[in-house]
Amino acid sequence: NAGVTQTPKFQVLKTGQSMTLQCAQDMNHEYMSWYRQDPGMGLRLIHYSVGAGITDQGEVPNGYNVSRSTTEDFPLRLLSAAPSQTSVYFCASRGPTGGNTGELFFGEGSRLTVL
Amino acid sequence: KQEVTQIPAALSVPEGENLVLNCSFTDSAIYNLQWFRQDPGKGLTSLLLIQSSQREQTSGRLNASLDKSSGRSTLYIAASQPGDSATYLCARGGSEKLVFGKGTKLTVNP
Repeated sequence: NAGVTQTPKFQVLKTGQSMTLQCAQDMNHEYMSWYRQDPGMGLRLIHYSVGAGITDQGEVPNGYNVSRSTTEDFPLRLLSAAPSQTSVYFCASRGPTGGNTGELFFGEGSRLTVL
Repeated sequence: KQEVTQIPAALSVPEGENLVLNCSFTDSAIYNLQWFRQDPGKGLTSLLLIQSSQREQTSGRLNASLDKSSGRSTLYIAASQPGDSATYLCARGGSEKLVFGKGTKLTVNP
């Protein structure tokens, strides 16, 4: 059981480049989300999805784009990378049973550096 | 704005000591309270999830309690071990979003 899988684990970009962070889960979870973690700032929600075809903004959505075409996948796109987007990105999913009260499972993280 | 506060930010204890980590939140209308562990360079591992209708949850040497009226949760670690060294985060679960505290970095010295 792979759980939540994120790729790539490490990435270096130049300012203005675009890229996609991939997230996949094999637990049939309806809810998926993206967080960024920065020193002194804690974990902040970027975007989330409550099911295929449904996405919504979190606390810090600017500069990021998401889509949810399948239950399994929830990619995060950086449209034009900026140094302020240097961070560790985490994808998380939550089970379908219990709706909002499910346990949140995290991937191992993607470490992004924007030069 | 919903706030989650964890005090202290760092804690160092000798091996074998029982300890309590604190988490406070501003909105008592929560769905659940979840405790996580994060090792350096790693993702978050779920430790305990307390539903809003529950008062506590236990797993091995860990016990988490929830007091909605006072806006507080505690994580009790019994007989601490060096392997317990990590950052512990709590998260307040709302309708669609979790709000995280900034964590308590625990060091257990042999």
